[in-house]
Amino acid sequence: EAQVTQNPRYLITVTGKKLTVTCSQNMNHEYMSWYRQDPGLGLRQIYYSMNVEVTDKGDVPEGYKVSRKEKRNFPLILESPSPNQTSLYFCASSTGGRGEQFFGPGTRLTVL
Amino acid sequence: AQSVTQLGSHVSVSEGALVLLRCNYSSSVPPYLFWYVQYPNQGLQLLLKYTSAATLVKGINGFEAEFKKSETSFHLTKPSAHMSDAAEYFCAVSDQGFNKFYFGSGTKLNVKP
Repeated sequence: EAQVTQNPRYLITVTGKKLTVTCSQNMNHEYMSWYRQDPGLGLRQIYYSMNVEVTDKGDVPEGYKVSRKEKRNFPLILESPSPNQTSLYFCASSTGGRGEQFFGPGTRLTVL
Repeated sequence: AQSVTQLGSHVSVSEGALVLLRCNYSSSVPPYLFWYVQYPNQGLQLLLKYTSAATLVKGINGFEAEFKKSETSFHLTKPSAHMSDAAEYFCAVSDQGFNKFYFGSGTKLNVKP
């Protein structure tokens, strides 16, 4: 089944404790992206990747890092999480920016 | 940067009534435009996409949207609402490079029996 998977689905952590949210897709998509969803703000793009080793900032990249060492994986790294990063995070992939984005199920992160 | 405005954070309609969800974008050159739907506790799913091929775009589940350049609008409609349409709907626009995406704040659709 074609899908985007994210792990973990739920995470509660404390300020400053490094964490990684994994994202994997099995559709051989070149383009991958991370978003955060906050009430009243919709989705905001954090980072995107056009291909392996090619990443760029979205609208709200501060406090986040990404890497794209393999085509299928695009982990989101929070080196020192803060409470304002409490949010619902979505990973998405597509054949390219013009294509339909397929979204993962989301990761709900709470930073205390 | 692009911006997308969705008027009405909550819209309520009766089953069988017309659904109209509004979206306006800010750009002098029409980019790609999208409507996504999010059901509770799920990720987003593409409803339809405007790519300049036709101003009236038909999507899944009976939804369609009309691109109006003069009004910088891309409103989503469905002639007859169904209970299963209750969800949150997001309008989105891509930048000229088709790598950055900008989403509206979303509209929650409630369908009353």
